[in-house]
Amino acid sequence: DGGITQSPKYLFRKEGQNVTLSCEQNLNHDAMYWYRQDPGQGLRLIYYSQIVNDFQKGDIAEGYSVSREKKESFPLTVTSAQKNPTAFYLCATRGRFTEAFFGQGTRLTVV
Amino acid sequence: AQSVTQPDIHITVSEGASLELRCNYSYGATPYLFWYVQSPGQGLQLLLKYFSGDTLVQGIKGFEAEFKRSQSSFNLRKPSVHWSDAAEYFCAVGGPFSDKLIFGTGTRLQVFP
Repeated sequence: DGGITQSPKYLFRKEGQNVTLSCEQNLNHDAMYWYRQDPGQGLRLIYYSQIVNDFQKGDIAEGYSVSREKKESFPLTVTSAQKNPTAFYLCATRGRFTEAFFGQGTRLTVV
Repeated sequence: AQSVTQPDIHITVSEGASLELRCNYSYGATPYLFWYVQSPGQGLQLLLKYFSGDTLVQGIKGFEAEFKRSQSSFNLRKPSVHWSDAAEYFCAVGGPFSDKLIFGTGTRLQVFP
């Protein structure tokens, strides 16, 4: 079954805690993206990666970190430095000359 | 700088009425343009895309969009809206080589019976 898998669907974080969101793909796409979605603000780019072992900051990278050790995987860590992490997080992949394909998202809530 | 503007935050239409959602972009090269739709709590589904060629593109669910280079616009249209079209719609711009993909802030569509 081809596609993008984000896990978990819901995640709760305590103050001062780091959490990691998973994104896995079997579409053999080179590029992977992480977006944050807040009501009324659309999708804001956190990080993206066009190739294994390389990634670039997006518009709101502060308080987040990523790795790209395998083509299939692009996990996002929300660190304690991110002061307002409650949001809906979307992972996407894209091949050359194609559109972006999205996972079903992870809703992160600070408790 | 690369950017997308969707000037309409919220649009309300009656079922059966026509629809046009506006999208203006800023991009330094030939743009690849997309429209996506999102239901609450879900990921995004592609409605249509423009890469090159015919500037009027057809998509799924009866949607179409027209690329106007002179106006830097890529407006989405549908001749007759159905209640199931109620959702949030996003316009996006990027290049061809799996590079940065930027989205607008979205337009929420409400459909009245």
